[in-house]
Amino acid sequence: TQLLEQSPQFLSIQEGENLTVYCNSSSVFSSLQWYRQEPGEGPVLLVTVVTGGEVKKLKRLTFQFGDARKDSSLHITAAQTGDTGLYLCAGASTGRRALTFGSGTRLQVQP
Amino acid sequence: GAVVSQHPSRVICKSGTSVKIECRSLDFQATTMFWYRQFPKQSLMLMATSNEGSKATYEQGVEKDKFLINHASLTLSTLTVTSAHPEDSSFYICSAGKAGGRFNEQFFGPGTRLTVL
Repeated sequence: TQLLEQSPQFLSIQEGENLTVYCNSSSVFSSLQWYRQEPGEGPVLLVTVVTGGEVKKLKRLTFQFGDARKDSSLHITAAQTGDTGLYLCAGASTGRRALTFGSGTRLQVQP
Repeated sequence: GAVVSQHPSRVICKSGTSVKIECRSLDFQATTMFWYRQFPKQSLMLMATSNEGSKATYEQGVEKDKFLINHASLTLSTLTVTSAHPEDSSFYICSAGKAGGRFNEQFFGPGTRLTVL
């Protein structure tokens, strides 16, 4: 069974601070996606990383895929209250249509 | 775009009744749709993978006779919770993968909050 562990599970920070969320597995994934979900809504796709070592930036968010394609990180610079939500990583595997979702990181940014 | 809708957004029903939830891909064709269940403050739990024109594939521990899935077209999948009980109360979310899409990207609907009294 493939597992994706996210850490930390919960993070409460002040506006303007930086943070990093980690997504780790013992399995290799063909690609990895990050989603953000707000309460009462469905997850929204933020980014897909495909190549080992790849770094993608989305405004204040920086995503990195590990060299071995087993782990990923999400770094947020100067967090804003609008960044509050549940962050989910999800790994794709060859031959399987379904994604393996991480355990989730709940981020709360205080004003 | 890749917009997925769900209907209804909220439903309250009595124990023993059946509830149908619709999931539609509005601007793309989806050969595969997925149904998830989410408990408060937790991640998504995959219930089943729905393939257009064929039987759904259920995850271990999910009762296929209780959670009926139909994927009759490339833009519509339905989940019917039969003989619902209070323990079925949850947030149900569907997602769709684009036909010919890359990297198994999934696009999610807004979810349906089911409350069984």
